[in-house]
Amino acid sequence: DQQVKQNSPSLSVQEGRISILNCDYTNSMFDYFLWYKKYPAEGPTFLISISSIKDKNEDGRFTVFLNKSAKHLSLHIVPSQPGDSAVYFCAASEKNAGNMLTFGGGTRLMVKP
Amino acid sequence: NAGVTQTPKFRVLKTGQSMTLLCAQDMNHEYMYWYRQDPGMGLRLIHYSVGEGTTAKGEVPDGYNVSRLKKQNFLLGLESAAPSQTSVYFCASSYWTGQGNQPQHFGDGTRLSIL
Repeated sequence: DQQVKQNSPSLSVQEGRISILNCDYTNSMFDYFLWYKKYPAEGPTFLISISSIKDKNEDGRFTVFLNKSAKHLSLHIVPSQPGDSAVYFCAASEKNAGNMLTFGGGTRLMVKP
Repeated sequence: NAGVTQTPKFRVLKTGQSMTLLCAQDMNHEYMYWYRQDPGMGLRLIHYSVGEGTTAKGEVPDGYNVSRLKKQNFLLGLESAAPSQTSVYFCASSYWTGQGNQPQHFGDGTRLSIL
């Protein structure tokens, strides 16, 4: 059973608007969450992370929100740009577990000019 | 700075053949990982290493072996390739600070097809 799920395989957004990507998890031992961005024929690139002691982390246009009670996190991109078009993966890890990551299935974001 | 380098980038094998995928990192990271990516399933951990000379199994280890003889290199071996091992393989590495988990840094992948 998948411990990290991204229920939307794709998302289309107009340039300049907000993109919201969602991720749900089931393992209550996860305490560190990350978002990766992936372009075709390249490896995933680290985007932003959040520790379970926080509920929000911002880095420029990217903000990650964590709702521990709902076991839900989201990535907000404001404003969206065509260069943001990629596949986004959320991932999670447990403390003291070899820094291993469990990934969601990914969401393909398309930002239209 | 090259980061994480994977070789080869593409390979086609016949069922039953063996091969080794090489991963090299120049960031002096303690931890290294091998993942496979299949359509709609995200990345799944095959094996990982927390230091030179140590390896451990991940989520999908069957049919694979690994070795970490040098800190900068992590090898993934397929002893007898099967069509189910057709996938894109990613290597990653990370620091370990002892104060919490750290982001992993990925190579650009090896696309492996087994006929």
